Amino acid sequence: GQNIDQPTEMTATEGAIVQINCTYQTSGFNGLFWYQQHAGEAPTFLSYNVLDGLEEKGRFSSFLSRSKGYSYLLLKELQMKDSASYLCAPMDSNYQLIWGAGTKLIIKP
Amino acid sequence: GAVVSQHPSWVICKSGTSVKIECRSLDFQATTMFWYRQFPKQSLMLMATSNEGSKATYEQGVEKDKFLINHASLTLSTLTVTSAHPEDSSFYICSALRGNSGDSETQYFGPGTRLLVL
Repeated sequence: GQNIDQPTEMTATEGAIVQINCTYQTSGFNGLFWYQQHAGEAPTFLSYNVLDGLEEKGRFSSFLSRSKGYSYLLLKELQMKDSASYLCAPMDSNYQLIWGAGTKLIIKP
Repeated sequence: GAVVSQHPSWVICKSGTSVKIECRSLDFQATTMFWYRQFPKQSLMLMATSNEGSKATYEQGVEKDKFLINHASLTLSTLTVTSAHPEDSSFYICSALRGNSGDSETQYFGPGTRLLVL
């Protein structure tokens, strides 16, 4: 079957670095998306990885290892506004996004 | 965990017909549901926010007369694609917001509906 595994909740301190891990199993693979979702709002797109390696975009970086079915989202210089849920969503062979429940990130001063 | 269903999962229709897609929250009440569209190899695109008992809020560029949204109950929102054309062929995903306010809100996504207009 298809499955996404992310921690339910993480806590970090303002200014620090946090890594959110994601392991997945899909029927085929066409890349992996990370989304950010603030409470009460729709998700917003953060990153898309289709090849192995690290993609850096400002304070956010995303890593992919296809052979291991593993990805992580790295957030640097954490700000209070980064408190949100982070969704890892791989795309299967039908280009369908497989959704998990996401990781709720709590930032403390 | 919270479950959101969509029906149908696949639709193939002729150009000019209307298609209705249902989104249901099965084990919780959702005052807010979102409708997304996703084209191949692209990210989700929010189409509209559906609020129970009131009119939906559409994103810029989304035709409200073409994509009719009805959120008549706390567990059901429907999206009707009127007079569908081939360019409307896409993957439509709904999500339901669990919780009323505050940090405990979580959005749960449906499995999506793939629409093919011939």
